Amino acid sequence: GAGVSQSPSNKVTEKGKDVELRCDPISGHTALYWYRQSLGQGLEFLIYFQGNSAPDKSGLPSDRFSAERTGGSVSTLTIQRTQQEDSAVYLCASSLSGTGVSEQYFGPGTRLTVT
Amino acid sequence: RKEVEQDPGPFNVPEGATVAFNCTYSNSASQSFFWYRQDCRKEPKLLMSVYSSGNEDGRFTAQLNRASQYISLLIRDSKLSDSATYLCVVNLAQGGKLIFGQGTELSVKP
Repeated sequence: GAGVSQSPSNKVTEKGKDVELRCDPISGHTALYWYRQSLGQGLEFLIYFQGNSAPDKSGLPSDRFSAERTGGSVSTLTIQRTQQEDSAVYLCASSLSGTGVSEQYFGPGTRLTVT
Repeated sequence: RKEVEQDPGPFNVPEGATVAFNCTYSNSASQSFFWYRQDCRKEPKLLMSVYSSGNEDGRFTAQLNRASQYISLLIRDSKLSDSATYLCVVNLAQGGKLIFGQGTELSVKP
């Protein structure tokens, strides 16, 4: 079946512009996660949605970052006033359930470059 | 101190070799443990979960020592296709965010 999809696959933007990154989770998965992977850094958690619960935003690095999940499915990560340090691969993952030990399946990522 | 620490490598080994990766985690409340594999410029994929009793999947054996907060992965009879970065991952609660180590790079040579 279809896996997690993300768009765009690559995004180049100028410093100061806003960007929106999209994630389509696996159908039926109730939990959705955003991570980012910077050069020389490991994967770091950004935000987590589980069903209708309030999202866990504890990993968002600044108030320029926000995310929403509409209808319990598609999610959009928005970065306002992008900075060069925002350049990274942004990975979305989904899992069948946010409780119990449920494998997280990752999408291919969006490679963001801020010039 | 990083929450999950791994030796970044690279580990360069010949085909057929046995190689071991180690990982330590700092939060004793960690509940779930995993090894993920990431190929160059690709997304991470779950290799195996790690259980307290230790578990094996073919050529791969994972072990967990909660007292020492230590996780290991053993790969026997290495194949060229095992070349990748291996990520040690912990989860503080059932479900919820994953905390990744920096990854250990493995290169298997003919």
